[in-house]
Amino acid sequence: AQTIHQWPVAEIKAVGSPLSLGCTIKGKSSPNLYWYWQATGGTLQQLFYSITVGQVESVVQLNLSASRPKDDQFILSTEKLLLSHSGFYLCAWGLGGRSAETLYFGSGTRLTVL
Amino acid sequence: GMPVEQNPPALSLYEGADSGLRCNFSTTMKSVQWFQQNHRGRLITLFYLAQGTKENGRLKSTFNSKERYSTLHIKDAQLEDSGTYFCAAEAGGNNKLTFGQGTVLSVIP
Repeated sequence: AQTIHQWPVAEIKAVGSPLSLGCTIKGKSSPNLYWYWQATGGTLQQLFYSITVGQVESVVQLNLSASRPKDDQFILSTEKLLLSHSGFYLCAWGLGGRSAETLYFGSGTRLTVL
Repeated sequence: GMPVEQNPPALSLYEGADSGLRCNFSTTMKSVQWFQQNHRGRLITLFYLAQGTKENGRLKSTFNSKERYSTLHIKDAQLEDSGTYFCAAEAGGNNKLTFGQGTVLSVIP
């Protein structure tokens, strides 16, 4: 069975500090991988997706970057956090290919920027 | 307007009641997904539809690409159905999902 693990569960960070959020998928080779951001009480906004190792497409940047260093790993990062980065970050995997078909989400990382 | 418009924003149901949620799309969508988000933020996929209707237990979803809408129907609402429901649609084979604003569902005993 496939599992998706996100880390950390929660972070409190200062404005201007760096950030790295991680996501690992086990039990599925070559999945499509996605990062989403959700403001408190808001809807989800797609940030990035990746179809294969080393390839990342940006949908909405928000001064963040993403990388896929391994087939099963997706990293979201920034060198300088902004207050507006606060929110809930969700990683998801999909069945692969050119469509975002049937997504499976991790449990999320709650980020507070002070 | 918004590419994905979801209604209602909030809904209260008594246990055992039936109701529906709807998403309207400003353009032709290739597929739609429905998700339930619990109070901890966990998102669960309920349905993926490229067309037609699917049922799973007390839930039923319909997607009409030509008429640009999708619905999620909940039958015999239970307390554990409480949460926020989102629809999300993909316009083409571009791996980009656009989410609706969500419906906060409260099931009352």
